[in-house]
Amino acid sequence: AQSVTQLDSQVPVFEEAPVELRCNYSSSVSVYLFWYVQYPNQGLQLLLKYLSGSTLVKGINGFEAEFNKSQTSFHLRKPSVHISDTAEYFCAVSASNAGKSTFGDGTTLTVKP
Amino acid sequence: GAVVSQHPSRVICKSGTSVKIECRSLDFQATTMFWYRQFPKQSLMLMATSNEGSKATYEQGVEKDKFLINHASLTLSTLTVTSAHPEDSSFYICSAISHSDLNSPLHFGNGTRLTVT
Repeated sequence: AQSVTQLDSQVPVFEEAPVELRCNYSSSVSVYLFWYVQYPNQGLQLLLKYLSGSTLVKGINGFEAEFNKSQTSFHLRKPSVHISDTAEYFCAVSASNAGKSTFGDGTTLTVKP
Repeated sequence: GAVVSQHPSRVICKSGTSVKIECRSLDFQATTMFWYRQFPKQSLMLMATSNEGSKATYEQGVEKDKFLINHASLTLSTLTVTSAHPEDSSFYICSAISHSDLNSPLHFGNGTRLTVT
């Protein structure tokens, strides 16, 4: 079984500031890792994923994440945020061949002008 | 990119009635679809895994007879909330996995806001 812990429930930042949303996971098997963004009353949109290979993963909208196996972390970063990045962000993990994902509780990113 | 269409986006129904929510994969075949429930300001809770042509697998604590799932084709899964009650009011989201790549990320529908009065 897998579990995901998003360490910050809310992250307020000012526009153009850098941001990091933290995610730790636990699993007894190899996993795939994902970050999703959810805007109000909408489904989830994939930001980026780690399947294998380079531990630094670049996604859409200028986001990137780094997989750290020793620390079982997959933190999401963006060097300069925009007002439009205000949303809910979910970290998710799935076993290598199961398809079913376990989600963290989400982090609300609020970008202030 | 892969598109999942969920319908309706919003539905209001009276207590005791049933509501059907559809989830369609528009440009790929989805052997497996997942149904989630999301309460306000909370994460997604997996309700069931729907496999084409077979019975759905429900998560612990989810009532099979209340949340009926049918996955009759590789592009369509339906969730029927039977005899809905106000406590069933929630945001329901479906997702689908591409038949050709079980390790691909989930493609999500835009969700259905169910309000039971």
